[in-house]
Amino acid sequence: AQRVTQPEKLLSVFKGAPVELKCNYSYSGSPELFWYVQYSRQRLQLLLRHISRESIKGFTADLNKGETSFHLKKPFAQEEDSAMYYCALYNFNKFYFGSGTKLNVKP
Amino acid sequence: GAGVSQSPSNKVTEKGKDVELRCDPISGHTALYWYRQSLGQGLEFLIYFQGNSAPDKSGLPSDRFSAERTGGSVSTLTIQRTQQEDSAVYLCASTSGLESDTQYFGPGTRLTVL
Repeated sequence: AQRVTQPEKLLSVFKGAPVELKCNYSYSGSPELFWYVQYSRQRLQLLLRHISRESIKGFTADLNKGETSFHLKKPFAQEEDSAMYYCALYNFNKFYFGSGTKLNVKP
Repeated sequence: GAGVSQSPSNKVTEKGKDVELRCDPISGHTALYWYRQSLGQGLEFLIYFQGNSAPDKSGLPSDRFSAERTGGSVSTLTIQRTQQEDSAVYLCASTSGLESDTQYFGPGTRLTVL
């Protein structure tokens, strides 16, 4: 069965520090993985998807099939990155979301 | 253009009452999803509509939950005989219908069952 795990409920870092939000998945095929973000008082929105291999707002995520991980990384966190981040896996018309990690970037 | 809209934004109801939540997807989007977002639980898939196909209801937690989509556009999620554990934010998302296309989320309806 498909499952997405985000082990950290809360991650606090100082501005300028590197940040890594962890995401592990269980899926037997070739996964399609996404990161969604929800800023305070805003809607949930797509941040990036692994097939695009792009960097959005300085964030990147690499799919590691060996470790079944799709961690989200940014070398220098900014205060405006503070938000709730959700990792998601797509399979057969369904998106499976993790429980989310709240990122708090302190000044 | 207009994004996904949901109404009401907040709903407080008494245990045992029925509630209807509405979702208006982006015009032209053929796929529509309902999710439930509970504190600390992430997003729980409820139901999926795609065009005129039969909906995927596999995520509905009980037979008290039902949803319909009229004319391939507006969708209504109905919860009958609400229970306190139904309290959550209910999110709707629509996509163009292409496989794994980006989901566009509505602002959600916060349901509180007293």
